[in-house]
Amino acid sequence: DAGITQSPRHKVTETGTPVTLRCHQTENHRYMYWYRQDPGHGLRLIHYSYGVKDTDKGEVSDGYSVSRSKTEDFLLTLESATSSQTSVYFCAISGSGRTDTQYFGPGTRLTVL
Amino acid sequence: QQQVKQSPQSLIVQKGGISIINCAYENTAFDYFPWYQQFPGKGPALLIAIRPDVSEKKEGRFTISFNKSAKQFSLHIMDSQPGDSATYFCACVKSGGGADGLTFGKGTHLIIQP
Repeated sequence: DAGITQSPRHKVTETGTPVTLRCHQTENHRYMYWYRQDPGHGLRLIHYSYGVKDTDKGEVSDGYSVSRSKTEDFLLTLESATSSQTSVYFCAISGSGRTDTQYFGPGTRLTVL
Repeated sequence: QQQVKQSPQSLIVQKGGISIINCAYENTAFDYFPWYQQFPGKGPALLIAIRPDVSEKKEGRFTISFNKSAKQFSLHIMDSQPGDSATYFCACVKSGGGADGLTFGKGTHLIIQP
């Protein structure tokens, strides 16, 4: 398995609280991605990063922000969590971008009450 | 607007049979088409991928068939086994600048009955 860890693996929080999810890689890959997975929607891209401090929005970025201060870490922040953000969040990495294989982490299950 | 349509949503196949999952896309800028396999509680993992310059790619029991003019591609699993039971996602990647991620279909839940 590619060296990707996500923390926490499970989290329950209340509406309106801030939440930060962490993705850590040991592969020194340039590209990192955050997806959310919901029944009936598949996986949808939230934000991605193409280098340290270089990030861009994906398909469903509203309500989320990201930061990447080091190659190995990519943080996803929900500034004020809502129930619609209850989901399973996956981080992925790739070496050279679009057509390179994306390796996914184990996921974080987030429940917003 | 759904850019990648995947069908069926769920599929039950007898052991030893052929499993077929279909995907259709709209954006002609897509030029790389991977399939991902996901087991419960795990992240998706690349299974097989194809580029539009070929019509078929085979890896073991898994084959992608690609029809560029119809903007469709499909995954065939030959001699399906219970261990193939998983959720399968097709995905599309578009050419051009940037490093944005995969556009996924909604997934097919495949069950192989012993």
